[in-house]
Amino acid sequence: DGGITQSPKYLFRKEGQNVTLSCEQNLNHDAMYWYRQDPGQGLRLIYYSQIVNDFQKGDIAEGYSVSREKKESFPLTVTSAQKNPTAFYLCASSETTGASSYEQYFGPGTRLTVT
Amino acid sequence: RKEVEQDPGPFNVPEGATVAFNCTYSNSASQSFFWYRQDCRKEPKLLMSVYSSGNEDGRFTAQLNRASQYISLLIRDSKLSDSATYLCVVKGPFYNQGGKLIFGQGTELSVKP
Repeated sequence: DGGITQSPKYLFRKEGQNVTLSCEQNLNHDAMYWYRQDPGQGLRLIYYSQIVNDFQKGDIAEGYSVSREKKESFPLTVTSAQKNPTAFYLCASSETTGASSYEQYFGPGTRLTVT
Repeated sequence: RKEVEQDPGPFNVPEGATVAFNCTYSNSASQSFFWYRQDCRKEPKLLMSVYSSGNEDGRFTAQLNRASQYISLLIRDSKLSDSATYLCVVKGPFYNQGGKLIFGQGTELSVKP
């Protein structure tokens, strides 16, 4: 059963703690992405990776870090430097970033609440 | 100006109604265009791609006007199950962060019995 998994679904942390969100895909996609969504707003790109061992900053990368050591996995760390970390985090993947027609498939998301 | 702008919602319509969503985008070099559907507290899912010649999938029709940088989605004979937020999504040019997807803020649709 191919798809993207994110865990956990809900995550609660205290301010000042780093937290890592998991994203795994078995679609054999090269490209993976992290977005955050805030109420009433569109998705905003945090980081993306077009290939293993390479990743690029998106529009709102400050306070976040990622790694891409394996094709299937693209974990996101929300650091204590992120000023407003409470949000819905969505991971996505696609066959490639370059081709115009490939859609992005989304995982079910992780709702992070930091208090 | 936002890169992708959609009609503000919510749209409240009765079952069986026809409803149209509009969207404009700012970058004329954008590569491709999509409508995604997002149910409450769920991830977005692709509803349909939008082609220059216009395309239809059952009760859904999408149109693209590149000259006006305008995209539309028409839903005919709306069902209760169509209630969701509809996201207009534009794939930017490759030189802009590898052709990233740019999302509109979404338009909420509520279909009532």
